[in-house]
Amino acid sequence: EIVMTQSPATLSVSPGERATLSCRASQSVTNLAWYQQKPGQAPRLLISGASNRATGVPARFSGSGSGTEFTLTITSLQSEDFAVYYCQHYNNWPPTFGQGTKLEIK
Amino acid sequence: EVQLVESGGGLVQPGGSLRLSCAASGFSVSANYMGWVRQAPGKGPEWVSIIHSDGRMYDAESVKGRFAISRDDSRNTLFLQMNNLRAEDTAVYYCARLIASYYVVGYWGQGTLVTVSS
Repeated sequence: EIVMTQSPATLSVSPGERATLSCRASQSVTNLAWYQQKPGQAPRLLISGASNRATGVPARFSGSGSGTEFTLTITSLQSEDFAVYYCQHYNNWPPTFGQGTKLEIK
Repeated sequence: EVQLVESGGGLVQPGGSLRLSCAASGFSVSANYMGWVRQAPGKGPEWVSIIHSDGRMYDAESVKGRFAISRDDSRNTLFLQMNNLRAEDTAVYYCARLIASYYVVGYWGQGTLVTVSS
């Protein structure tokens, strides 16, 4: 099973600034997704294929990386962006999630 | 419009059973990859079981032999039969429609809470 490790666990950023979230896989993966989750809600898909935004996702969200190192960047943070973010590989079964990064208002 | 509505969660004693249902609308369950993803309190999500459109099924190691995913095409409904439940199965269980043949969730249900406790 591939282990996904996210850092940092908590990230404090001011509105309007940039946030950079990291995700590392225990072995090389080619398929990587990012989800956003707000309290009391199901996760929402943001990015698949490491860098492809899902329908309706604002352009301020971007994904990058390959192999074992991936990054989710959110530019010009809006109030609605403060949430928990999860990465997930989907190379094979079982796909696995990271433990999450909580993005909080500084 | 795609909708997934789960039901069947609740409080059950260790060793007990529950059957979760997911009523789908706006698309065909049988034509899509479907699955169940759970999330324990304060934890990240975890894949539980999936069923391919061709009927192939896969389970997480943690539930193998205890849980079974199935679908009823006539009712356009997905199920998760959970037997021999343990405290560590306590979680919100989400029904999921995957994107094409990829293990990525494009649509989520609202979730149903399963609590295993005596």
